[in-house]
Amino acid sequence: DSGVTQTPKHLITATGQRVTLRCSPRSGDLSVYWYQQSLDQGLQFLIQYYNGEERAKGNILERFSAQQFPDLHSELNLSSLELGDSALYFCASSARSTPSPGTEAFFGQGTRLTVV
Amino acid sequence: TQLLEQSPQFLSIQEGENLTVYCNSSSVFSSLQWYRQEPGEGPVLLVTVVTGGEVKKLKRLTFQFGDARKDSSLHITAAQPGDTGLYLCAGAGQNFNKFYFGSGTKLNVKP
Repeated sequence: DSGVTQTPKHLITATGQRVTLRCSPRSGDLSVYWYQQSLDQGLQFLIQYYNGEERAKGNILERFSAQQFPDLHSELNLSSLELGDSALYFCASSARSTPSPGTEAFFGQGTRLTVV
Repeated sequence: TQLLEQSPQFLSIQEGENLTVYCNSSSVFSSLQWYRQEPGEGPVLLVTVVTGGEVKKLKRLTFQFGDARKDSSLHITAAQPGDTGLYLCAGAGQNFNKFYFGSGTKLNVKP
């Protein structure tokens, strides 16, 4: 158990709809990362938050947005869903306090999103 | 364009064989992690290497960080079916709070 919790584990929805994925980081971790993994693909970095603030943006579509709340949990919002958005979405957390060499990221079990 | 290139992309071997997986970049990383991911699961951290030239051993797995901290390798001795999975390397950027993942090596060890 990595200590990172993601809900829901599975989500099936129709095209055009909007969904919210939730992530609770490991206790004390301030950084949250979101990744998308399509079938048989590597991890594509979407966005990172650190202590409530957006820190880095990757290949995140304008239809997607995220936020990190004061209690450090994060939500990834996906709207106007398309068939190609079907993928595994992973959350990872790291950096308990200040950055340091060897900072490690720990992953949740992921949310499998299927758009039909 | 991937910041980290992993090779080979796919590897299918017999139980008992040795193998090496590579992770290369033109960028310098403050540290590098190796993860293993099984189908439908999240990546699980195997090791973190921090110092250039560092070698870490985890039972039959040997990890090496390049002297210039731009590349890494994972060597598995006497592979077993339980080693089957997607192996991912991830480099931490200079500010330590950004992780770049390679596209992974899919390993299949046949009994």
